[in-house]
Amino acid sequence: ETGVTQTPRHLVMGMTNKKSLKCEQHLGHNAMYWYKQSAKKPLELMFVYNFKEQTENNSVPSRFSPECPNSSHLFLHLHTLQPEDSALYLCASSQDYSLNQPQHFGDGTRLSIL
Amino acid sequence: AQKITQTQPGMFVQEKEAVTLDCTYDTSDPSYGLFWYKQPSSGEMIFLIYQGSYDQQNATEGRYSLNFQKARKSANLVISASQLGDSAMYFCAMREGRGYSTLTFGKGTMLLVSP
Repeated sequence: ETGVTQTPRHLVMGMTNKKSLKCEQHLGHNAMYWYKQSAKKPLELMFVYNFKEQTENNSVPSRFSPECPNSSHLFLHLHTLQPEDSALYLCASSQDYSLNQPQHFGDGTRLSIL
Repeated sequence: AQKITQTQPGMFVQEKEAVTLDCTYDTSDPSYGLFWYKQPSSGEMIFLIYQGSYDQQNATEGRYSLNFQKARKSANLVISASQLGDSAMYFCAMREGRGYSTLTFGKGTMLLVSP
């Protein structure tokens, strides 16, 4: 099992669809993150969860709805997305917020909005 | 102001040569950590190396080393003996120590290694 697993790897959806991205980590970490990576832009932090509690929502539109049922799983529910939401969505986890703790990333879900 | 600046959009290097990828950062916090990640075309972000602001020595991990110049606020990644598999995007990132904070990433440098 790889450390952080994301499904699906690719997703094509219409603007009126509802879908969910899933992230699972097998590293025993306590913090989980969602990032958006658009072409030619730095990674944008979307949400942070620590011990299942959301600690940061980086001004993300409400059409993105995160869910963290436990420390190992993180979902991103998508509804009524826009074409500019097409991007690579990366999930990451870290042991905690200690300065020297790296975040470990999944392979990402490449999302295309038609 | 950008917290992490990577001025090289792209770099080319021949196999077996060394290459340096530049990163400068901006923080007023005396406590911070610097990270380098590699992102192949497959998408996964792979953690490479970490340098803490109070570390006395430059970090090294196999073929990767970090040229940390604190006074200049630079944390350049040096890859020795480049391999074809090193072709990827490379991101510099920083976490500041003022309470809770997350990683701030630069825009990245695309490295292409040729035979």
